Amino acid sequence: SQQGEEDPQALSIQEGENATMNCSYKTSINNLQWYRQNSGRGLVHLILIRSNEREKHSGRLRVTLDTSKKSSSLLITASRAADTASYFCATEDRGSTLGRLYFGRGTQLTVWP
Amino acid sequence: SQTIHQWPATLVQPVGSPLSLECTVEGTSNPNLYWYRQAAGRGLQLLFYSVGIGQISSEVPQNLSASRPQDRQFILSSKKLLLSDSGFYLCAWQKGDVPGNTIYFGEGSWLTVV
Repeated sequence: SQQGEEDPQALSIQEGENATMNCSYKTSINNLQWYRQNSGRGLVHLILIRSNEREKHSGRLRVTLDTSKKSSSLLITASRAADTASYFCATEDRGSTLGRLYFGRGTQLTVWP
Repeated sequence: SQTIHQWPATLVQPVGSPLSLECTVEGTSNPNLYWYRQAAGRGLQLLFYSVGIGQISSEVPQNLSASRPQDRQFILSSKKLLLSDSGFYLCAWQKGDVPGNTIYFGEGSWLTVV
């Protein structure tokens, strides 16, 4: 399978704590994207990291990419109850001329107030 | 700015009835357009993609079809729905100028086939 796989499947933390989610994949990629999905809603794009990048930041989000290990991590610092959602990683294969994304099954994050 | 609209948001249809889900993108031209399906507790599966008017590619054989009658309009259809067609359908768009652009999703359409 070419899907990304998120780990853990579920994560439960208290407000103020940091949340770390990991993603592993199997192919060579152009980029890796992280998305957030609130229950029953569409996907919201969080960060795109390209294969030649190692780290990107956006507000309280920090994404790392290790292409040698074919893995990525998403760190949410100082989490809030509103961060409760499912988080997905999606990869675009190297050499792809089209945005065909391969998704994992997601990590369900619950942040308790 | 660009926006993507998808409707209807929810739909309950009997087995054997037709389906039409519509998606439009505003604020951009010649986008790549996608239909994904998300089954319960699963990741997203790409169903169809389009790089231009009338150009449709299918990723998986199925009971569904797609059409792109206008540059910014993408329609998902079925002549006769099956129970297995139930799921959450998401339309998405991407700037078509270069590979590797961010892909943006709509709010999704919940389809329940009964």
